[in-house]
This record gives sequence, structure tokens and C-alpha cells, in this order.
Amino acid sequence: ETGVTQSPTHLIKTRGQQVTLRCSSQSGHNTVSWYQQALGQGPQFIFQYYREEENGRGNFPPRFSGLQFPNYSSELNVNALELDDSALYLCASREVGGGDGYTFGSGTRLTVV
Amino acid sequence: GQQLNQSPQSMFIQEGEDVSMNCTSSSIFNTWLWYKQDPGEGPVLLIALYKAGELTSNGRLTAQFGITRKDSFLNISASIPSDVGIYFCAGDYNNNDMRFGAGTRLTVKP
Repeated sequence: ETGVTQSPTHLIKTRGQQVTLRCSSQSGHNTVSWYQQALGQGPQFIFQYYREEENGRGNFPPRFSGLQFPNYSSELNVNALELDDSALYLCASREVGGGDGYTFGSGTRLTVV
Repeated sequence: GQQLNQSPQSMFIQEGEDVSMNCTSSSIFNTWLWYKQDPGEGPVLLIALYKAGELTSNGRLTAQFGITRKDSFLNISASIPSDVGIYFCAGDYNNNDMRFGAGTRLTVKP
């Protein structure tokens, strides 16, 4: 059991639509990061949230946005979906100052058609 | 794109053999991490390294944080079939931006 759960596990959306992906982190994990993993690639950093504020962002356009809530849950929102957004989206969390790296969820497989 | 160069891209080895893979970067990192990802799952942390020169073991796995802070390697000794999977290196500079390599796909033949 990873302690990080993501929903849904699979999702199919149409180009131009909007999508919200959800993540529930372990209690006490006040830092959450989201990653996009295309097939055959390593995870690409989208952004990180700490205490409900974004404190780091990768090379992703503004239509990728997020929210973090006080109950250790978070969301990734993607607007105006494009075909290239099809990927596995991973949520990872950790406790600030925790020396054991991030704990990842199993991901949401998003397909844009 | 990826900022870490991980090699080799794939490896096919016999059970019992040792494995070595490495990761280099043009940027320095304060933390190097090694993850393993199985199909349909998220990456699972194997080893985390926090100081240049640090050598850390986790069972049959050994990893080192390069002295220049721009590289790291992972060794697996006496491989077994369950070692099959994709291994990723990751570097983190400021605890708010962890970057991954493209992965090494390991196949172990019994």
C-alpha cells in the first residue's frame, strides 16, 4: 500500500475538453508534486504544491493548474485538452524534511481522442 | 525534455549477473534518487542519496552520489527475475523540482 491514491485510474476525454484528476496523500505529507509520463518516457515534472501554494513548476503551459487542500488531497486540472496530453499522470507526496523521497500513486491513464 | 542522461536505455541479462546503470546531468543536484517502476504502477523509491560521494546500499542494490554532484550510478548484484522493470534516476536541487531520467529497462532471463 503506497499511501497515495489517485482517481480515476483511467479516463478518456475529447480534444478541447477539460479534465480534473485527483490525488489523496498520506496524512502529514504536506508537499505534493504532479508528473506527466508519456509512454516509454520518464516522468516529467509539472508542478509542486506546499501548504496549498504552488512552489515549483516545470515547463508546462498555464492550462495545467492545480489545487492542494488542507486534508492532504490535491487536484490537477487540464483545460483545452490536446492529443499530446495523453499520458499517465502521477501524483507524488512527501513530508517536508522527510528524508525518504516521494511516495508515488499508481497514476491516472488519460487518453485524449 | 529530460535534463538527465540515463544509460543504458535497456539491458538484457542472465539471472545471477550483476547490473550497472548510471545517470549524468549538466546541472548539479543536492539529492539523487533511484526509483523502480513496474507496469501499471507508479515509481517506487529504491535508494536516496543526499551527499556528494555518498555510497548507500539497500540489499542487493548499491548507489553512489557522484563527487561532482552531476552523476550517480546504481548497481544490482546477483540479479533475480523480480528485478525486471524500469529503473529511473532522479535529481532534485531545491526540494521543489525533482527531474527524472528516461529510464533503463531491465530484462532478466532465468
